[in-house]
Amino acid sequence: SQQGEEDPQALSIQEGENATMNCSYKTSINNLQWYRQNSGRGLVHLILIRSNEREKHSGRLRVTLDTSKKSSSLLITASRAADTASYFCATDDSNYQLIWGAGTKLIIKP
Amino acid sequence: EPEVTQTPSHQVTQMGQEVILRCVPISNHLYFYWYRQILGQKVEFLVSFYNNEISEKSEIFDDQFSVERPDGSNFTLKIRSTKLEDSAMYFCASSDLGNGMNTEAFFGQGTRLTVV
Repeated sequence: SQQGEEDPQALSIQEGENATMNCSYKTSINNLQWYRQNSGRGLVHLILIRSNEREKHSGRLRVTLDTSKKSSSLLITASRAADTASYFCATDDSNYQLIWGAGTKLIIKP
Repeated sequence: EPEVTQTPSHQVTQMGQEVILRCVPISNHLYFYWYRQILGQKVEFLVSFYNNEISEKSEIFDDQFSVERPDGSNFTLKIRSTKLEDSAMYFCASSDLGNGMNTEAFFGQGTRLTVV
């Protein structure tokens, strides 16, 4: 499988619940980034976590990174309808190219 | 807040025609990128550009594609002789790699290319 695989592929939860998405990768990285993409729209950068960091917060977002397991998780707390989007993780290689996963489609039900 | 801008937002072209997708990266950024996303699929790296030359390109970026920074502010992707399978959303991005650690890339809103 490819670098930066997210799971689940799709997630549907009730508004107000927490959403957790995971990303796994294969090679060593400099950092890992999470992006959001609303349907048919551009990519919005959410958060970057460096390889020497374990956890990072930004508003309702919490990202963890476990380099020993080559995995990261994105937690969105107290989800809102506006959080409905696809979420992608992207890792960079030694040449700073971003390598993308296929994304998790998150649906927040009102 | 500085942002990457792309024009046009939607381009429809006939198969075999040439298209130029335009991007204005964030002004103090040093690296520029093009990515594409075929509908429903993952984002794919095409090319990175630094110091007025291509620094990396993927196998997707064949002779049909070229990039240029003609005037110090615009960054263009040219697709010669478009094919139906070139239909995709094309994203431009820029980043500042001043310290080699911060590779946060800022993306434009994308250009949706439809080849008919």
